[in-house]
Amino acid sequence: DAGITQSPRHKVTETGTPVTLRCHQTENHRYMYWYRQDPGHGLRLIHYSYGVKDTDKGEVSDGYSVSRSKTEDFLLTLESATSSQTSVYFCASWTGADTGELFFGEGSRLTVL
Amino acid sequence: LAKTTQPISMDSYEGQEVNITCSHNNIATNDYITWYQQFPSQGPRFIIQGYKTKVTNEVASLFIPADRKSSTLSLPRVSLSDTAVYYCLVGYNTDKLIFGTGTRLQVFP
Repeated sequence: DAGITQSPRHKVTETGTPVTLRCHQTENHRYMYWYRQDPGHGLRLIHYSYGVKDTDKGEVSDGYSVSRSKTEDFLLTLESATSSQTSVYFCASWTGADTGELFFGEGSRLTVL
Repeated sequence: LAKTTQPISMDSYEGQEVNITCSHNNIATNDYITWYQQFPSQGPRFIIQGYKTKVTNEVASLFIPADRKSSTLSLPRVSLSDTAVYYCLVGYNTDKLIFGTGTRLQVFP
């Protein structure tokens, strides 16, 4: 399995506080992704990165920002967490080739009270 | 961006073959079709990938007709451990990888 680790794995926070989730990969993959998963909604793309300092919005990017200062790290920040951002967040990496597969982390469960 | 369409859920019994179809009408010439499996509380994992005709590996087969507007994941002789959500993902000639809602497969004894 590709080395994709997410931290923290679980976090409880209060409305209005900032939260940063970290994704770290050891495969030197060019592309990295952040998805959120809620019951009944499957995986929804928040933001993705196609290289260091190169990022773009996904389907549900409002309220989230990302940064990628190194190939191996992709950070997802909730500037001011809201209860609607309670979710499970998955990070993934991809080689970028058409025949390449996405490698997912184990997820970070965030609860905003 | 065009989306993929799959049945929301399917039921099966152990030992049966299960076929899950995904519709992707706007697939581009260079796009591949990839299927993922997700168990509760885990990230999705790769099952199989194909471009056209048929692909088979140790866990599944993927059938893609000539027009490539749909694809069918075939799981032979399912077991209880195949209960999961299955996603089809089509790379629409872009790096913006968007999943559909997936198909929840429930296997009964």
